[in-house]
Amino acid sequence: DGGITQSPKYLFRKEGQNVTLSCEQNLNHDAMYWYRQDPGQGLRLIYYSQIVNDFQKGDIAEGYSVSREKKESFPLTVTSAQKNPTAFYLCASSNGLAGAYEQYFGPGTRLTVT
Amino acid sequence: GIQVEQSPPDLILQEGANSTLRCNFSDSVNNLQWFHQNPWGQLINLFYIPSGTKQNGRLSATTVATERYSLLYISSSQTTDSGVYFCAVDRGRTTDSWGKFQFGAGTQVVVTP
Repeated sequence: DGGITQSPKYLFRKEGQNVTLSCEQNLNHDAMYWYRQDPGQGLRLIYYSQIVNDFQKGDIAEGYSVSREKKESFPLTVTSAQKNPTAFYLCASSNGLAGAYEQYFGPGTRLTVT
Repeated sequence: GIQVEQSPPDLILQEGANSTLRCNFSDSVNNLQWFHQNPWGQLINLFYIPSGTKQNGRLSATTVATERYSLLYISSSQTTDSGVYFCAVDRGRTTDSWGKFQFGAGTQVVVTP
């Protein structure tokens, strides 16, 4: 099955702890993205990567970090510096270097920090 | 950055009704997609439509790039059409914001039996 997997589906953490969200794709896509969604709102871009070993900040990168060591994987770390980390996090990928670059989304991870 | 506005914010439909959702954007775009977010949060691709018209079953979409808007039509709505509909745009490879997709705030659709 080709697709994007995110794990875990639900994640609970104590305030002050860093937490890493996993995103893996087997679509052979070059580009990967992380979004944050708050209740009743749209998606906001955190980080994106068009190619391995390179990534750019999105609109709300503060308090987050990423790495792109492999084409298939784009993990997101929510650091203790992120003031309001509780949210729904969505990962996406696209064939960013080709003609039509549609984004496809994973099922998301709901993070709750107390 | 590019601004994306969707209207209406909320829509309540009786099963069988037709509706039109609108997406306006503030600059030229090279990529426009429509998504449906189901009640479990999954975003489902509906259309990749930077210009022109496409149809897929009861859904169709039209983008008029020169006038900077796109429309999503739902015909003969069903309860399974409930959810949030988002449009997302990207300005394209010739810009320094390539890949920096901007989403609208969405239209919440409720279809009642």
